[in-house]
Amino acid sequence: DTGVSQDPRHKITKRGQNVTFRCDPISEHNRLYWYRQTLGQGPEFLTYFQNEAQLEKSRLLSDRFSAERPKGSFSTLEIQRTEQGDSAMYLCASSLAVQGDTQYFGPGTRLTVL
Amino acid sequence: AQSVTQLDSHVSVSEGTPVLLRCNYSSSYSPSLFWYVQHPNKGLQLLLKYTSAATLVKGINGFEAEFKKSETSFHLTKPSAHMSDAAEYFCVVSGGGFQKLVFGTGTRLLVSP
Repeated sequence: DTGVSQDPRHKITKRGQNVTFRCDPISEHNRLYWYRQTLGQGPEFLTYFQNEAQLEKSRLLSDRFSAERPKGSFSTLEIQRTEQGDSAMYLCASSLAVQGDTQYFGPGTRLTVL
Repeated sequence: AQSVTQLDSHVSVSEGTPVLLRCNYSSSYSPSLFWYVQHPNKGLQLLLKYTSAATLVKGINGFEAEFKKSETSFHLTKPSAHMSDAAEYFCVVSGGGFQKLVFGTGTRLLVSP
C-alpha cells in the first residue's frame, strides 16, 4: 500500500496562469475527494468522485476550477487564470464506498500565486 | 447541515501531563466522527474514528475519545503528553450519502518539557 500521492508538492505561479495538480489514490479506493486548506484553517471540501463520476461540487469551486477522473483512477484538478486568493494547500483523499470509511489523505500540493 | 466546533484554538501542556482537546458537533444524520492530526509539513493522519459502535474509541499513540450524544461532544484525551504530540488536531464530522468531511478550525497542541 503506497498511500495517496500528489504531484507536485509545491507550485509557484504568477497570477493569471493555469495550473494542474495530480492525485493518485490508494489503488482499490473508488472514492476520491479534493479539499483546500488555507493558512490557519481546517480543510474545506471542494469536490468528490465515485469511480469516474463527479458527484458533488462545493460552491467554493468556481468556474475557474475543474476536476477530472477519467478512468476512475488518478484525478487532476486544474485552476485557470489563477488569482492570489487561490494560494492554499490542495489536499486529495481517497476511500472505499462504505459508510463511515476512513478517508486517507495525501501530502498535499502547496500553491503560491504571486 | 453538519458542523464541528473546537472550543480551544491552542492548548498548552507539560510533557507527562494529561491532554484534553474539546470538540462539539452538530449533525442532522447519525454522524461519523474523526480526529485527525497534522504535523508541520506532513499530511493529515487519522488518530481515531467513531461510527456508531462503542462510544469510547481508542486510537493510535495512546489517544482516545468518547462520543457523548447527550452533550453532542467528542473530546480527545491522552493520559500523558509526549513532545512528539505537538501538532494541529482537527475534529471532523461526516454523514449523509457520500461522506464529505467537515473539519473544525483546529486546535494547536503545544507540549513543553
